[in-house]
Amino acid sequence: SAVISQKPSRDICQRGTSLTIQCQVDSQVTMMFWYRQQPGQSLTLIATANQGSEATYESGFVIDKFPISRPNLTFSTLTVSNMSPEDSSIYLCSVLARVARGTDTQYFGPGTRLTVL
Amino acid sequence: LAKTTQPISMDSYEGQEVNITCSHNNIATNDYITWYQQFPSQGPRFIIQGYKTKVTNEVASLFIPADRKSSTLSLPRVSLSDTAVYYCLVDPQRSQGNLIFGKGTKLSVKP
Repeated sequence: SAVISQKPSRDICQRGTSLTIQCQVDSQVTMMFWYRQQPGQSLTLIATANQGSEATYESGFVIDKFPISRPNLTFSTLTVSNMSPEDSSIYLCSVLARVARGTDTQYFGPGTRLTVL
Repeated sequence: LAKTTQPISMDSYEGQEVNITCSHNNIATNDYITWYQQFPSQGPRFIIQGYKTKVTNEVASLFIPADRKSSTLSLPRVSLSDTAVYYCLVDPQRSQGNLIFGKGTKLSVKP
């Protein structure tokens, strides 16, 4: 498994501003991901954070709105740019890590609760 | 990726065994079945993963029939703190990140 921390845990922001969310893992991992969970909804994958190259975005998400950095194998950031109230969500970082039996699965961070006024 | 179908909600009482069944009719040969638990305002927590037959850990058991088109998460003797949303997912070994989360099953445990 992996221990994942996120900063900030929550924030309230004004419309039009940007917020950068940090994700830190306690061990080196090959794959890191960013998800969004809107109120009362399930999780949606935003992008895969690639170390040393541009992130891979899912349909409906673009780099200008959600720039992602991944400078090394234990850290990534997601920025929510030019925010609007529709961006109010929980943003979750996840990593691919080994399950005890030798297969891999994703482990999730505690999430960042964002409220945009 | 295979889609999954599970009940939207379930109610139980403390001390009972809870079984949540998930259907995944289009599961592929290399897909594993993974269950997550999510409390409000927290990230999903990995519970258990399996490929076939039965898997048991300190938290739950996972039963998978031979055709693998369904699976059942079994929570023994639930407590109030087991109230959460439970997600069933199927993904290939060495998941590439495109996990498709359904709506999950909201389990409410009552005293």
